[in-house]
Amino acid sequence: AQSVSQHNHHVILSEAASLELGCNYSYGGTVNLFWYVQYPGQHLQLLLKYFSGDPLVKGIKGFEAEFIKSKFSFNLRKPSVQWSDTAEYFCAVLSNFGNEKLTFGTGTRLTIIP
Amino acid sequence: DTGVSQDPRHKITKRGQNVTFRCDPISEHNRLYWYRQTLGQGPEFLTYFQNEAQLEKSRLLSDRFSAERPKGSFSTLEIQRTEQGDSAMYLCASSFRQDGTGELFFGEGSRLTVL
Repeated sequence: AQSVSQHNHHVILSEAASLELGCNYSYGGTVNLFWYVQYPGQHLQLLLKYFSGDPLVKGIKGFEAEFIKSKFSFNLRKPSVQWSDTAEYFCAVLSNFGNEKLTFGTGTRLTIIP
Repeated sequence: DTGVSQDPRHKITKRGQNVTFRCDPISEHNRLYWYRQTLGQGPEFLTYFQNEAQLEKSRLLSDRFSAERPKGSFSTLEIQRTEQGDSAMYLCASSFRQDGTGELFFGEGSRLTVL
């Protein structure tokens, strides 16, 4: 069964700092990878996704993620965070074989200090 | 608003009562998913439908839980004889099977509190 690990449970940064949130998955086959964000009081929204092609994926609000197949990783990055990036971030994986459902990590709570 | 809508947004009930949640997906989406999210955890898969067919149920879905999507449009999730451990946010999501990416569009969730 596929699984997703997010090792950073809570990250606190000052505005303008650089961000990298880790995501590792365990599935040996072809995968589609996602980062979702949940702002306080709002529903889950897609930040970016990878399903083929360039392993460096750019998303909304200046976020990007790099798929490194050999490391089973899909880390999220942003060069300069803003206070409005305070949210919970979830990595998710979809395997292309068998059941087609997203498996989520436990999430990383990001707090940006103005 | 043409997104996924869920009702009610918050339900408080006493242990042992039955509750039902409704989800209206994005109209052209043929897949509908139910997830459960508890504090400090990511969403956990419960079940999903393609059109009206329920294709998979998680082991998390005990026999007190039942989900339907009778006409392939809206879906209901019923919990019978609720327990305090059922307290969680119940999320609905929909997707378009043929777009090939697997992206899910989520509703705002229905929060269940069992006293």
